[in-house]
Amino acid sequence: GENVEQHPSTLSVQEGDSAVIKCTYSDSASNYFPWYKQELGKRPQLIIDIRSNVGEKKDQRIAVTLNKTAKHFSLHITETQPEDSAVYFCAAIQSSGTYKYIFGTGTRLKVLA
Amino acid sequence: KAGVTQTPRYLIKTRGQQVTLSCSPISGHRSVSWYQQTPGQGLQFLFEYFSETQRNKGNFPGRFSGRQFSNSRSEMNVSTLELGDSALYLCASTASGRDTGELFFGEGSRLTVL
Repeated sequence: GENVEQHPSTLSVQEGDSAVIKCTYSDSASNYFPWYKQELGKRPQLIIDIRSNVGEKKDQRIAVTLNKTAKHFSLHITETQPEDSAVYFCAAIQSSGTYKYIFGTGTRLKVLA
Repeated sequence: KAGVTQTPRYLIKTRGQQVTLSCSPISGHRSVSWYQQTPGQGLQFLFEYFSETQRNKGNFPGRFSGRQFSNSRSEMNVSTLELGDSALYLCASTASGRDTGELFFGEGSRLTVL
């Protein structure tokens, strides 16, 4: 069945350093890969997404890369700030009007001031 | 535009009871999906509804069920509650289109089973 593995489960970085979270998916039909951020006590919110027709997408300090051959994608956060502290979830979806989101187990990122 | 609304926000039940949770999607969104969030397990997909039809279902026992009404509001029901059902239940709505898009989550219903 579909599966998304996410690593690491926790990540601590110094403010200003970079953070990288990696996900691997099993369903080769997946072609939409969003990332959600969930701050403590709040709802998950989309921060960036990528579709399989591109290898990289960047939005200010956040970037996502995709390697379809290896079936993995990564979230990169540069110049981390304390407000980046949250749980981040990746997901892999077969984008054909289906909405069966398979999420990774999450990464708790702590940015130390 | 109002966001996704879930009720109740908190509830406590005992083993063997049943519970019904409600979700009102963003106006115009016809797809509603449900997720169980527990520490260490992340967000686990329960099911997704579109135009009153269940389109997708996750790997949960039959005690978990749902439905969607003609106004796109959705409910999920858990019967014969077990201690392991304690979790945050999140619903999300999305604007249906040719390509899968952003999920808009509600604040969740936190269920505690004693």
